[in-house]
Amino acid sequence: EVQLVQSGAEVKKPGESLRISCKGSGYSFTSYWISWVRQMPGKGLQWMGRIDSSDSYTNYSPSFQGHVIMSVDKSINTAYLEWSSLKASDTAIYYCARGNSYGFVFDYWGQGTRVTVSS
Amino acid sequence: DIQMTQSPSSLSASGGDRVTITCQASQDIRDSLNWYQQKPGKAPKLLIYGASNLQTGVPSRFSGSGSGTHLTFTISSLQPEDIATYYCQQYAYLPLTFGGGTKVEIK
Repeated sequence: EVQLVQSGAEVKKPGESLRISCKGSGYSFTSYWISWVRQMPGKGLQWMGRIDSSDSYTNYSPSFQGHVIMSVDKSINTAYLEWSSLKASDTAIYYCARGNSYGFVFDYWGQGTRVTVSS
Repeated sequence: DIQMTQSPSSLSASGGDRVTITCQASQDIRDSLNWYQQKPGKAPKLLIYGASNLQTGVPSRFSGSGSGTHLTFTISSLQPEDIATYYCQQYAYLPLTFGGGTKVEIK
């Protein structure tokens, strides 16, 4: 069974750093891209970018380029999303999703990680 | 970025009704469109890929059609379990973009 299991909810202060994770199982992890999708409170879905799990090649949305870093650790089938300095506007649920068909079709999703940034 | 204008933003229909949602793309995206369903408090779920292909395990009352700049999603007979928000997502161009969502409710 394909699963993406994300790390738990986080509460942080502005300016703090954070890394959340997404562990894949039940499939060949390096054969698929992982995308990250943001959902701000009560709002729609925003694609942040994606990473090729085989070689860590990334595509970032211009809206998120320079504010987050995506990475993978192939040895433990885990993708990461990282911030070096959080803002209150980063408060959201973050989903990882497996990208099928050249990484463009999100056929499996993680359960989401809720990030709250507040002073 | 490709803008995906989804309409309506919300709708209320009776059980058994036919429901249609449209996505208008700001540029020709051919058939590079997926549809997702998101229930409250849950992650999105893929329903339709490549504009018209039903994902494995998804009921046949869901369908998609169209290409170019005007694409549609249909529920042929609305069921109580279909209450959710539906999103389109284009993948013809990077960055990938989603429509704003359509919230479907039962009358």
